Amino acid sequence: NAGVMQNPRHLVRRRGQEARLRCSPMKGHSHVYWYRQLPEEGLKFMVYLQKENIIDESGMPKERFSAEFPKEGPSILRIQQVVRGDSAAYFCASSPRPGVPEAFFGQGTRLTVV
Amino acid sequence: QQQVKQSPQSLIVQKGGISIINCAYENTAFDYFPWYQQFPGKGPALLIAIRPDVSEKKEGRFTISFNKSAKQFSLHIMDSQPGDSATYFCAAIPNNNAGNMLTFGGGTRLMVKP
Repeated sequence: NAGVMQNPRHLVRRRGQEARLRCSPMKGHSHVYWYRQLPEEGLKFMVYLQKENIIDESGMPKERFSAEFPKEGPSILRIQQVVRGDSAAYFCASSPRPGVPEAFFGQGTRLTVV
Repeated sequence: QQQVKQSPQSLIVQKGGISIINCAYENTAFDYFPWYQQFPGKGPALLIAIRPDVSEKKEGRFTISFNKSAKQFSLHIMDSQPGDSATYFCAAIPNNNAGNMLTFGGGTRLMVKP
């Protein structure tokens, strides 16, 4: 049973480009969470999605960031017109349902904006 | 607003010693408190977790102590080993059935010296 899969592991983008981060949850998990970890800091919640629905996006920056979790395929975190401050590690976590508090994390995508 | 405060930021312990990491929270709606262990370049992995209806939970060398009235909890690592060297995050989840969004502490970088 594969764990949470994130790709790419490392992503380098020039300022102004778009970054697309993918997350495939664990088999049987339909709840996906995205977190951002800035260097030397803890993880901060960004968005919570179920299949085809955004449940809570209270941690998402108001502009340039969007997320989706389509009926088929992985969850996507999209960052448009990246800036240097977007450089961070982005982690995806999944759980089978809200009543199960344990969330399993992927290995993250490390985004570097140059 | 930092809802979960973690200390110390870094900790050096001799092999065989006890590592103690403390966390304090403000939101009384939190009712599940997991600890995560993160190695460099990896995602956080669930280590141990506690609910506020118990004051202590032990799993192997890892113990959580919980003080509900003080809104504080701590992780004790007994007989610390060099392989325990990692960053540890405390976290909290509210009891609102709106999902399992984790609020993380700032992290403690533990180094266990041989």
